Amino acid sequence: DGGITQSPKYLFRKEGQNVTLSCEQNLNHDAMYWYRQDPGQGLRLIYYSQIVNDFQKGDIAEGYSVSREKKESFPLTVTSAQKNPTAFYLCASSIAGISYEQYFGPGTRLTVT
Amino acid sequence: GEDVEQSLFLSVREGDSSVINCTYTDSSSTYLYWYKQEPGAGLQLLTYIFSNMDMKQDQRLTVLLNKKDKHLSLRIADTQTGDSAIYFCAEGEGSQGNLIFGKGTKLSVKP
Repeated sequence: DGGITQSPKYLFRKEGQNVTLSCEQNLNHDAMYWYRQDPGQGLRLIYYSQIVNDFQKGDIAEGYSVSREKKESFPLTVTSAQKNPTAFYLCASSIAGISYEQYFGPGTRLTVT
Repeated sequence: GEDVEQSLFLSVREGDSSVINCTYTDSSSTYLYWYKQEPGAGLQLLTYIFSNMDMKQDQRLTVLLNKKDKHLSLRIADTQTGDSAIYFCAEGEGSQGNLIFGKGTKLSVKP
């Protein structure tokens, strides 16, 4: 079955540690996205990538980093520089182009204490 | 910049129709989308409409677009308890293919 997987579903870390969230897709989509969701805030774009080996900052990129070495993978690292990392993180993918619909993974809930 | 506005809550009785409204600011949006999010899950694409259309119907879902007023609505007929979720409106930003999401409307369906 084609789709997007994110792992793990729940992640716990101590403050000051970097943590990497996984996102894999087998939809053969060129574009991939990372969003952060906080209660009552909707979705905010962290990073996006339209093609392998290229990515752009979204609205809230500070404290995060990404890589896009393979078409099917777009991992997100939450660094210790991110001041409020506890949130629900969603990965999405789409056919590259103008406003094609995005397909979402199940999300990872990160809790940092 | 672009912005998408939605009311935060809507409560209806099972069997009634639900209407979720959305306003957007980017007049160049080509596509407008409705997504559904159940608790603890990712977003599921429900439907979308091209900006040159006024209406789109898909089973119990009807999308209405008033491009002049930049107003989009989603009507769910015969609302069921399984429709309880958060519904997000999104507009396409344009050349980068990014979507701008509203904050979501939480639909509660009472039996």
